[in-house]
Amino acid sequence: GQQLNQSPQSMFIQEGEDVSMNCTSSSIFNTWLWYKQDPGEGPVLLIALYKAGELTSNGRLTAQFGITRKDSFLNISASIPSDVGIYFCAGQRGRDDKIIFGKGTRLHILP
Amino acid sequence: GAVVSQHPSWVICKSGTSVKIECRSLDFQATTMFWYRQFPKQSLMLMATSNEGSKATYEQGVEKDKFLINHASLTLSTLTVTSAHPEDSSFYICSARTGLYGYTFGSGTRLTVV
Repeated sequence: GQQLNQSPQSMFIQEGEDVSMNCTSSSIFNTWLWYKQDPGEGPVLLIALYKAGELTSNGRLTAQFGITRKDSFLNISASIPSDVGIYFCAGQRGRDDKIIFGKGTRLHILP
Repeated sequence: GAVVSQHPSWVICKSGTSVKIECRSLDFQATTMFWYRQFPKQSLMLMATSNEGSKATYEQGVEKDKFLINHASLTLSTLTVTSAHPEDSSFYICSARTGLYGYTFGSGTRLTVV
């Protein structure tokens, strides 16, 4: 079945540092999504990407849809404590297809 | 914006009993809703796709007789875990399609079976 490989699995950073995480797939997706999940909550959409090569920003977050349509990355600049959480990439082949989630990247900010 | 309300937030039940979880779209109509299951420190796994007025489509390996899904209206889908056992303890999350590619998730239900 389709799988998304998300890395790194976890990150420990200092406040103020930039963060980068990525997602790769063995198959093509036509939509890439990045979500953040706080403990005990459902995921919240951060950025949606619909075109190969697309680069989209949302505040301190920037995400790109890989040109091959098999990968995507998410960058967070100047991290702050509220960035702590789990970040999931997700892919979708077509509008009526299910969303496939990566395993998540757990972001920790050291005091 | 589109809001999906999930209830209850957490529930503890005895082994062998059934538990119903509700997922409501508050300010939009959702013809399609999705039910996910998430174990601690793991990703979201799609259990089933719920379509208003028709039978749910279950993912491979998900027992349809154990996880009963009803989507009787355009704003409500329910997941009933029947004859729950401790291994059913998990975080259950619903989501609804809100646009061409938009999906909004509920806040999840923590089920603990004792």
